[in-house]
Amino acid sequence: GAVVSQHPSWVICKSGTSVKIECRSLDFQATTMFWYRQFPKQSLMLMATSNEGSKATYEQGVEKDKFLINHASLTLSTLTVTSAHPEDSSFYICSALQTSSTDTQYFGPGTRLTVL
Amino acid sequence: AQSVTQLDSHVSVSEGTPVLLRCNYSSSYSPSLFWYVQHPNKGLQLLLKYTSAATLVKGINGFEAEFKKSETSFHLTKPSAHMSDAAEYFCVVSERGTGRRALTFGSGTRLQVQP
Repeated sequence: GAVVSQHPSWVICKSGTSVKIECRSLDFQATTMFWYRQFPKQSLMLMATSNEGSKATYEQGVEKDKFLINHASLTLSTLTVTSAHPEDSSFYICSALQTSSTDTQYFGPGTRLTVL
Repeated sequence: AQSVTQLDSHVSVSEGTPVLLRCNYSSSYSPSLFWYVQHPNKGLQLLLKYTSAATLVKGINGFEAEFKKSETSFHLTKPSAHMSDAAEYFCVVSERGTGRRALTFGSGTRLQVQP
């Protein structure tokens, strides 16, 4: 149980286009999901906390207009990178907090974004 | 505020020998502590977690960790390394009681297992 999926697993896009990444909890409900960014050989940095039915909470330094987060249901959160630029290339990982659990997060497999 | 320090960025062991990955934490509240493993280009898998029950926590794949409050440590160990253990390991802290569920990650330790 507690499986989280991400789609797509990798994407290549041109500079200036927008890319949407989906994060789904497959066998549990998640009122809270998190989006992280990971640069090569570095740790994960929290970008934002996504709560179902409400606005996301962004970490300091993360542009909310550039990284649009929508959490429309208890099993789906989406991250849209708007007007992507090469510096947005990274590994994006989501996690879902199991509603019945206190604080165990289950992570998706990640999405590698490459902006040309 | 909370923080995690992984004392070694890289650890190399021989197959069949013990593994020790060190982690120290700082937390203003009662922490929950986790170890996650990440294989190349993969997501993170939960190895084990501590949430104020037994201080010695057993996880998957033979790993275990001991919570030592006096030393603010949560080191990860395994008696005998396997080639498949080669990966990046992250020590993670979550502050319970703050209402904020976000995790703070350590910088990671890359474990290399030599044949």
